[in-house]
Amino acid sequence: EVQLLESGGGLVQPGGSLRLSCAASGFTFSSYAMSWVRQAPGKGLEWVSAISGSGGSTYYADSVKGRFTISRDNSKNTLYLQMNSLRAEDTAVYYCAKIGQLEPTLGLYYYYYMDVWGKGTTVTVSS
Amino acid sequence: DIQMTQSPSSLSASVGDRVTITCRASQSISSYLNWYQQKPGKAPKLLIYAASSLQSGVPSRFSGSGSGTDFTLTISSLQPEDFATYYCQQSYSTLLFTFGPGTKVDIK
Repeated sequence: EVQLLESGGGLVQPGGSLRLSCAASGFTFSSYAMSWVRQAPGKGLEWVSAISGSGGSTYYADSVKGRFTISRDNSKNTLYLQMNSLRAEDTAVYYCAKIGQLEPTLGLYYYYYMDVWGKGTTVTVSS
Repeated sequence: DIQMTQSPSSLSASVGDRVTITCRASQSISSYLNWYQQKPGKAPKLLIYAASSLQSGVPSRFSGSGSGTDFTLTISSLQPEDFATYYCQQSYSTLLFTFGPGTKVDIK
């Protein structure tokens, strides 16, 4: 069974740091891009970051660029999100997601979609 | 950056109703559009990818259509388990994603 399990959430003061982990199982981890998505209390989904299967390419939302770093250890089947300079507005449930892909019959780009999600880990930034 | 909008932001419907949710992109995204369902306290679930492809295991009452800037998610006959919030998401810019603001479907 394909599974993702996030950990590392908690309460942190503004300006502090936290590292989230996402343990993957049931699929060939290194073959898939992965992503982090967050949801602030009572709000919608916000894409945060993504990383290619090899780890060689990373992508960030403007709201976290320069503060968050996504990485992966394919030997441990684990995805990470290092969060620095945390702000109150970073308070959210953080989900990791496996990115599925479909080769296009026409067009240049693969279709990407988040086909497996973890249950999430809660990050609270407050003094 | 590509911005996504959804309408309506919420709707009330009855079991058995046909429900349509609209998603619009700020620029053409071809068919690089996904739909997700989220229930309170749960992780999102993929319903539709590439605008119209049904994810494995998703009931056939869900369907997606559209291309370019305008897309729709249709539930042909609303079931009790379909009351949830629905999000569209663009994936045109490789691994740079954007979600729509969501549409909450509740019971009339």
